[in-house]
Amino acid sequence: EPEVTQTPSHQVTQMGQEVILRCVPISNHLYFYWYRQILGQKVEFLVSFYNNEISEKSEIFDDQFSVERPDGSNFTLKIRSTKLEDSAMYFCASSDLPGTGPYGANVLTFGAGSRLTVL
Amino acid sequence: DQQVKQNSPSLSVQEGRISILNCDYTNSMFDYFLWYKKYPAEGPTFLISISSIKDKNEDGRFTVFLNKSAKHLSLHIVPSQPGDSAVYFCAASGPLTGNQFYFGTGTSLTVIP
Repeated sequence: EPEVTQTPSHQVTQMGQEVILRCVPISNHLYFYWYRQILGQKVEFLVSFYNNEISEKSEIFDDQFSVERPDGSNFTLKIRSTKLEDSAMYFCASSDLPGTGPYGANVLTFGAGSRLTVL
Repeated sequence: DQQVKQNSPSLSVQEGRISILNCDYTNSMFDYFLWYKKYPAEGPTFLISISSIKDKNEDGRFTVFLNKSAKHLSLHIVPSQPGDSAVYFCAASGPLTGNQFYFGTGTSLTVIP
């Protein structure tokens, strides 16, 4: 079964360092997302990406964050200067349809997550 | 702004009995709801969904009920099996949420053999 793969599974970094989290979405999917979950809290939307540009972003996704699809397969999340509060599990997801809609199977397929620990 | 709430952080059920997981939402514009299941060290996996034009959707042992007037949905698992032990997330979206899904904080289900 097709799956979304994420690397690294766990990254420990010092505050202020740059981090790049990588994702390989399902090959025929067109919509890509990053979500994060701080320990014990809800899963929060960060950003959606379609047609090589950001289609939506949340308030969390400030200037320290960026996303890129550098080639036909990878989808990356970069945090330029990490803060302690960036420590979380970051989930990549993809879908073949837009993320919302009541009539279609607009289901996000998630990766296993990348745990980021900022010290 | 907690638009989707799962007020029970954990639930324990005996194998074979019914598990009922609850979810409440505040945004009346939500019209599409999903349940995801998450095992440790894995990402959330889609379980079942329901649109606002229905009040019930069934898939095998899993049934989701939607009460729009109460802004409440529930996931019923019957009979519960030990392999169902996981964290269950409720998620919602609507025409004004764009591509975002709003997730609850999750309920950790333990099915006791």
